[in-house]
Amino acid sequence: EAGVTQFPSHSVIEKGQTVTLRCDPISGHDNLYWYRRVMGKEIKFLLHFVKESKQDESGMPNNRFLAERTGGTYSTLKVQPAELEDSGVYFCASSRWGGETQYFGPGTRLLVL
Amino acid sequence: AQTVTQSQPEMSVQEAETVTLSCTYDTSESDYYLFWYKQPPSRQMILVIRQEAYKQQNATENRFSVNFQKAAKSFSLKISDSQLGDAAMYFCAYSWVGRDDKIIFGKGTRLHILP
Repeated sequence: EAGVTQFPSHSVIEKGQTVTLRCDPISGHDNLYWYRRVMGKEIKFLLHFVKESKQDESGMPNNRFLAERTGGTYSTLKVQPAELEDSGVYFCASSRWGGETQYFGPGTRLLVL
Repeated sequence: AQTVTQSQPEMSVQEAETVTLSCTYDTSESDYYLFWYKQPPSRQMILVIRQEAYKQQNATENRFSVNFQKAAKSFSLKISDSQLGDAAMYFCAYSWVGRDDKIIFGKGTRLHILP
């Protein structure tokens, strides 16, 4: 069974540009989560999808971040326009149902210059 | 607010020895999950062990075991017979039961295995 995959693995962009991160959850997992780790800080929750619906987006830092999960399969996280403080590692995780173990992807390392 | 604290940013242990990673947490909830996740260098994070707060028995997974002290809000991870492949960043984490599923993470402890 394929694990959670994320694309790209690394992204380097300039301040003000737009970047779109993609996450493909494990097949059959309705729950999809985005987390972020900023340098030297804890991994922090961003949002949670159940199928295509946003269950909880309380961790989204501001309206420059837009997450979508059309069709309830893969998800994208767009940052527009990117700021320096957006640099970090963005993790995606999925689970079959709520409360079950979340399986993490390898992360996307974003560097905003 | 729920918080997870890992007071040891880095630790080292000799191969084949035993090491204990510390974690404390703060919550007003009575039912929750605690986790230890492992992230090897340049690889994805995997679940090492999971503990349900209502279970008094400490969880174990092969060479990995926890010491769960609910009253003290302490959740340490013991790795026995350390192997080179255990070198990784270890994250202690918490989530509620029956509510939202978001995981609260500690800052992590980087574990080095000395040959």
